[in-house]
Amino acid sequence: QKEVEQDPGPLSVPEGAIVSLNCTYSNSAFQYFMWYRQYSRKGPELLMYTYSSGNKEDGRFTAQVDKSSKYISLFIRDSQPSDSATYLCAMSAGSSASKIIFGSGTRLSIRP
Amino acid sequence: GAVVSQHPSRVICKSGTSVKIECRSLDFQATTMFWYRQFPKKSLMLMATSNEGSKATYEQGVEKDKFLINHASLTLSTLTVTSAHPEDSSFYICSARKKADRYNEQFFGPGTRLTVL
Repeated sequence: QKEVEQDPGPLSVPEGAIVSLNCTYSNSAFQYFMWYRQYSRKGPELLMYTYSSGNKEDGRFTAQVDKSSKYISLFIRDSQPSDSATYLCAMSAGSSASKIIFGSGTRLSIRP
Repeated sequence: GAVVSQHPSRVICKSGTSVKIECRSLDFQATTMFWYRQFPKKSLMLMATSNEGSKATYEQGVEKDKFLINHASLTLSTLTVTSAHPEDSSFYICSARKKADRYNEQFFGPGTRLTVL
């Protein structure tokens, strides 16, 4: 079993739709949860950063963490064609020696 | 800000040559830098972790003699792919962690695409 599982997609939705991206994980030591966006042939850029359980909102993006279910989500409201990219979930236990473990990424396409 | 640059962005070389990739933190000091490899449509695979002034720690299955890492200063780490072969062709991405960051956040460079002919 992989430490982090993420549906690779591709996921295609019409412009304006609400997008839901999800990851599950197996390591209960994870405390820091991140979502990265990666455009084709570019490095990942950090979108959202959450500590422990709960919700965090930033503009059109909302990150949710449910540690009891070992399940994290990223919601994108009013999706735009410019949101088309690969979204990677990532998590770590948080100590200075902790590695970040990435999901395999979900390819998202927003149709105009 | 937290900007990380990589140079070159793209390199094409002949089989058997060595290639050096630079990773720089432009506006912060990075005690730790990470090197990842990414195959098409796949996630990032951590290759090694490098701390300034000490030897890099390699992940299982990564040949340290093939992928030489030097972290000479708080703003620069280099990855040298020695005697590159076509199977080394990939997208190499570095990231850096700030010196005083208690949240373990990593900032990524734009990546270097290596093609070995």
